Amino acid sequence: SQQGEEDPQALSIQEGENATMNCSYKTSINNLQWYRQNSGRGLVHLILIRSNEREKHSGRLRVTLDTSKKSSSLLITASRAADTASYFCATDQGNEKLTFGTGTRLTIIP
Amino acid sequence: DAGVIQSPRHEVTEMGQEVTLRCKPISGHNSLFWYRQTMMRGLELLIYFNNNVPIDDSGMPEDRFSAKMPNASFSTLKIQPSEPRDSAVYFCASTSSPLYNEQFFGPGTRLTVL
Repeated sequence: SQQGEEDPQALSIQEGENATMNCSYKTSINNLQWYRQNSGRGLVHLILIRSNEREKHSGRLRVTLDTSKKSSSLLITASRAADTASYFCATDQGNEKLTFGTGTRLTIIP
Repeated sequence: DAGVIQSPRHEVTEMGQEVTLRCKPISGHNSLFWYRQTMMRGLELLIYFNNNVPIDDSGMPEDRFSAKMPNASFSTLKIQPSEPRDSAVYFCASTSSPLYNEQFFGPGTRLTVL
């Protein structure tokens, strides 16, 4: 079963705008990661945030984690056409096993 | 670094046939994962290995599915006999550290069972 549920399922924005995706999960976690999947490709790791962290940045990416609400958000600033992809959150509970969410399909309109 | 290598990239077979999917993890990685992705069920973990030993196969759907990792550089996922509902994209991923859990995914094998 899916541990994470992403919201929204699909998002379309204009190039240059910011995109925000949310992930909710059900059980306590050790780490939460975000991955990107381009059409027809494998997943690519974007960023990892640990359960004792609240916010993390990497380039145009900003991730927040609220363990009390069991939720995380991924913000992509100044979006580009190349950001068009599906985005997945993934959680672990202290071992190597990741449980992936259902994904948000992001479309950037040039 | 070549990344995770999967073969074949596409497989079309008829119901009842045996299908074997292959994976070569990144050199030096000690954990290997097999996932299945469908529109209906999303991305599901089927089985994972650590140091060539199966650790968790609770995601393997049925006895028709089996996986092996005879050495650190090769793994197979076999479906025998295949059924139309097995049609999906199968991904292999590997990682080198349980403390930092970034997984590196292969390009996937798109399986179609007619």
